[in-house]
Amino acid sequence: NAGVTQTPKFQVLKTGQSMTLQCAQDMNHEYMSWYRQDPGMGLRLIHYSVGAGITDQGEVPNGYNVSRSTTEDFPLRLLSAAPSQTSVYFCASSYSSDTQYFGPGTRLTVL
Amino acid sequence: GENVEQHPSTLSVQEGDSAVIKCTYSDSASNYFPWYKQELGKRPQLIIDIRSNVGEKKDQRIAVTLNKTAKHFSLHITETQPEDSAVYFCAAPRGYALNFGKGTSLLVTP
Repeated sequence: NAGVTQTPKFQVLKTGQSMTLQCAQDMNHEYMSWYRQDPGMGLRLIHYSVGAGITDQGEVPNGYNVSRSTTEDFPLRLLSAAPSQTSVYFCASSYSSDTQYFGPGTRLTVL
Repeated sequence: GENVEQHPSTLSVQEGDSAVIKCTYSDSASNYFPWYKQELGKRPQLIIDIRSNVGEKKDQRIAVTLNKTAKHFSLHITETQPEDSAVYFCAAPRGYALNFGKGTSLLVTP
C-alpha cells in the first residue's frame, strides 16, 4: 500500500491564481481531512469528509473548497490564492474517527 | 468545538532525563486522545493514544495519562535520547477529524 499520497510536494503561486492540491489514499478509509500547518500554530483543520459525497468545514475553511467524488480522492482547491495561504498542507485519512494517517505534505508559497 | 491547549511550547532536557508535556481539552464528551511526533520536514506520526475508559497507557519509554475529571492528559517520555528531539502534538476529537494543540518543541541534548 502506498498509504496517503499528496501532489505536488512544492508549489509557488502568484496572488489570485487558483490550483488544486491532490490527495489520494489506498487504504479504503472513509474519513479524510485537510490540515494546514503554520509555525507556532500547530495543525489546523480546513475541511473533512466522512465518505464519498459528504464534506464539512473545519476551523479555517475560508478560501478553500473540497469535494469527495470517490472514497480514494479528496482534492483541496484554492480558488484565488492569497499570501496568507502560504503554508504546509497535510492530507490525512482514517478508518474510524480516531487515528489519522498523514500524507507527506505540500509546501505552498503564494507571492 | 473542542479547544486543545498544550504546554510548554518548548522543552529542553538532557539525555537520560524525563520529559512531560501537558494538554487540556474543553469538551467533556471527548473520548480519544492521541499524541503525534513530527520530525523536521516530515509528516506527523502517531506515537501513542489513549481512550477515555483507561487512565494510563505505556509503550516502552513513552506513556500517556488521562484525567477526565480535570480534562487534561499528559505525555511522559523517560530516559530521553537525542532521537526524541522533535515537535510533539496532542489532539482531541473534532467531529470526524482532530483538533491539535500548537505543539511542543522538544530538544534532547547529549
